[in-house]
Amino acid sequence: EDKVVQSPLSLVVHEGDTVTLNCSYEVTNFRSLLWYKQEKKAPTFLFMLTSSGIEKKSGRLSSILDKKELSSILNITATQTGDSAIYLCAVRPSGTYKYIFGTGTRLKVLA
Amino acid sequence: DVKVTQSSRYLVKRTGEKVFLECVQDMDHENMFWYRQDPGLGLRLIYFSYDVKMKEKGDIPEGYSVSREKKERFSLILESASTNQTSMYLCASSFFGLRDRGSPSGIFGPGTRLTVL
Repeated sequence: EDKVVQSPLSLVVHEGDTVTLNCSYEVTNFRSLLWYKQEKKAPTFLFMLTSSGIEKKSGRLSSILDKKELSSILNITATQTGDSAIYLCAVRPSGTYKYIFGTGTRLKVLA
Repeated sequence: DVKVTQSSRYLVKRTGEKVFLECVQDMDHENMFWYRQDPGLGLRLIYFSYDVKMKEKGDIPEGYSVSREKKERFSLILESASTNQTSMYLCASSFFGLRDRGSPSGIFGPGTRLTVL
């Protein structure tokens, strides 16, 4: 059965810290992996990683796909209180339109 | 600005009522999805559609049906609402394949928090 697991489940850090969130997957024929940030409402899209695009960066956020290890990390440097959110990882297997979501990592950044 | 909109942000219904949740996207996406999100369970796929009038069951389709008569609109129907369908419902849309038309795939609407009493 296809599965996406995120770790840690939750994390509390102080402003200025750097955090690394993990997403590992077991899917038949990987196609793409997406990262989302969810605050009090719907998830907002951060990055999409594929075999042809294994590293993405936007400001203080960056993400890397490790196809060998079947995993991805999301890095946030110099964290701010506005980074507090649930971070979701979703994987799409090849041959399907579906995305399989992990249960998310809840990040809290303290001032 | 690309957008997925949902008909209501909050909805309160009674057990046994028929409930319609509507989702509209303006990105010309082929795929549209309905998820529900519950604490500790993450996002679970109810139904998805990859074209007009086409639909496929997701992981938890029981108690739900869907309708896609136009490309931009995907409706979720609860034929007879029950208390265990109290949840946050999220609609999403995406392109077929990995084409990037300058707009990212996998966009969510704002969500509808449904309470069934």
